[in-house]
Amino acid sequence: AQKITQTQPGMFVQEKEAVTLDCTYDTSDPSYGLFWYKQPSSGEMIFLIYQGSYDQQNATEGRYSLNFQKARKSANLVISASQLGDSAMYFCAMGGNQFYFGTGTSLTVIP
Amino acid sequence: NAGVTQTPKFRVLKTGQSMTLLCAQDMNHEYMYWYRQDPGMGLRLIHYSVGEGTTAKGEVPDGYNVSRLKKQNFLLGLESAAPSQTSVYFCASSGQGVEKLFFGSGTQLSVL
Repeated sequence: AQKITQTQPGMFVQEKEAVTLDCTYDTSDPSYGLFWYKQPSSGEMIFLIYQGSYDQQNATEGRYSLNFQKARKSANLVISASQLGDSAMYFCAMGGNQFYFGTGTSLTVIP
Repeated sequence: NAGVTQTPKFRVLKTGQSMTLLCAQDMNHEYMYWYRQDPGMGLRLIHYSVGEGTTAKGEVPDGYNVSRLKKQNFLLGLESAAPSQTSVYFCASSGQGVEKLFFGSGTQLSVL
């Protein structure tokens, strides 16, 4: 069975500061992908970043980076220089035989 | 590009009624998924398909059926709707299981 755990229901961050959103996963598959999606209040799902299980280096996409620690089975999302538009729900997900999502973290950026 | 299209966007049903949600993708993707999203519970996988003619159960399949008769379409059916099925439903597709998902815009379903 695969499982994604996000333990932070809500987070606050000051504008221009960095924030880390936690994600741990559990799988017995040797090959899998880890993903982060953003869901603003409008409801659409926006892909942010991807990390493959065999990738040696942490993924980065602009202000987003994924802190991948395979031995600890964690895939935390780091958002640098937070902006007001970053306020949204953030979902960690894992793809492999199936594609599962965590329960999400609601991020609020404070001016 | 249309990407992933879900119809309808909104629907209200009475308990016991049936309905079908249609998901269509134009990216020649093999994998297609149906999720439901409820407050505080994230997206939960209902059913998925790894290719035309195949379907498989996800985390919460009870009360739902699916079909993938054509590669580009993935249908989600509710035979006898219940208030517990009030939710937002998302369809998604990907080329392979470890590739990112492309999402539809969602369907808001209310069962009274």
